[in-house]
Amino acid sequence: AQSVTQLGSHVSVSEGALVLLRCNYSSSVPPYLFWYVQYPNQGLQLLLKYTTGATLVKGINGFEAEFKKSETSFHLTKPSAHMSDAAEYFCAVSGPPGGSYIPTFGRGTSLIVHP
Amino acid sequence: ETGVTQSPTHLIKTRGQQVTLRCSSQSGHNTVSWYQQALGQGPQFIFQYYREEENGRGNFPPRFSGLQFPNYSSELNVNALELDDSALYLCASSLGIGQGARGYTFGSGTRLTVV
Repeated sequence: AQSVTQLGSHVSVSEGALVLLRCNYSSSVPPYLFWYVQYPNQGLQLLLKYTTGATLVKGINGFEAEFKKSETSFHLTKPSAHMSDAAEYFCAVSGPPGGSYIPTFGRGTSLIVHP
Repeated sequence: ETGVTQSPTHLIKTRGQQVTLRCSSQSGHNTVSWYQQALGQGPQFIFQYYREEENGRGNFPPRFSGLQFPNYSSELNVNALELDDSALYLCASSLGIGQGARGYTFGSGTRLTVV
């Protein structure tokens, strides 16, 4: 079964600093990968996704992620953190074609941004 | 275009009772998935409905059941509630099973508390 592991349940950065949230996946073939964000008392919002093609994926709010097959990773980055980025971030995996398209989520990483 | 709406937003039930949660999918979406998100955890897949038929089920007991209606709205029913059923229940919609590769649109969830 496919799975994702998010390293670090909490990540703390200063405003303006680089954000790096780590995600590693387990799959025998390249899957579809997603990052979602969840603000307090809200549902999940899709930040970005990788299906096929370019391995560097740009999403909303200045976030991007790079699919690295050799490292089975899909880490999320943002050059400069804003206070409004404080939220819970979830990595998810699904696919590939012929497999289940139902996403499996990681346990989440809470991003804390200090002034 | 309307997003995914869930009702009610909050609910308190007593152990042993039954509960029904409701979800209206995003306009044009014919696939609805339900997830359970316990406090501090990632969403766990309960089941998915596609064109009124169950298309997949996670590791949840039979007392978790669902329905999808001709207008693609959906219900999640939980019988014989247990304290561990306390969680945020998320509904997500997509256009077709395979289109889950594009990511899901989530509702804001129903917070269920079992006492």
